[in-house]
Amino acid sequence: AQSVTQLDSHVSVSEGTPVLLRCNYSSSYSPSLFWYVQHPNKGLQLLLKYTSAATLVKGINGFEAEFKKSETSFHLTKPSAHMSDAAEYFCVVTLGGGTSYGKLTFGQGTILTVHP
Amino acid sequence: DAGVIQSPRHEVTEMGQEVTLRCKPISGHDYLFWYRQTMMRGLELLIYFNNNVPIDDSGMPEDRFSAKMPNASFSTLKIQPSEPRDSAVYFCASSRAGLNQPQHFGDGTRLSIL
Repeated sequence: AQSVTQLDSHVSVSEGTPVLLRCNYSSSYSPSLFWYVQHPNKGLQLLLKYTSAATLVKGINGFEAEFKKSETSFHLTKPSAHMSDAAEYFCVVTLGGGTSYGKLTFGQGTILTVHP
Repeated sequence: DAGVIQSPRHEVTEMGQEVTLRCKPISGHDYLFWYRQTMMRGLELLIYFNNNVPIDDSGMPEDRFSAKMPNASFSTLKIQPSEPRDSAVYFCASSRAGLNQPQHFGDGTRLSIL
């Protein structure tokens, strides 16, 4: 079985300050992990993915995430928040174990608010 | 590159009516997924196709829902008859084959059943 838990339902930061969105996962197999972002009235957009290569993954728009197996975490960070980063963020884990595609398990989402 | 294209973007109709949602996946993608998003339940996978064949429809809520994929570039999700509790945002996504391939989402259809 696999699951993913986003530890904060809402995060609020000031523009120019760091962003940290926390995610813990459980998986019976070596997981593939993704972060997606959803802006209002839009679909989910892939920010970055981890697929057992480098543990520090760089994504679009200055975001990055670090895979820590010992902590079963995949937290998303950005050094300096921008107003356009305000959105909902989803941590996602795929089902492993011989399937031919990644059936996604979604976290509950974290709404990021950025104040001027 | 064109992304996943969904139509219509918004649909408002009265309960009991038939609703058809449409999706054009990214060319070359082998998998197509239909999701439903609500505040209460978040994102739910309804059904997915591999090479136009339905593989898993266990997420389809009931027999009023049906989905087809007549060819590699088109899929429909139909609700007949529609009910107010079907109101949600419906997303289509597609991906290449492979465990690590990300899914690419359309912008969704916001469905309101009155």
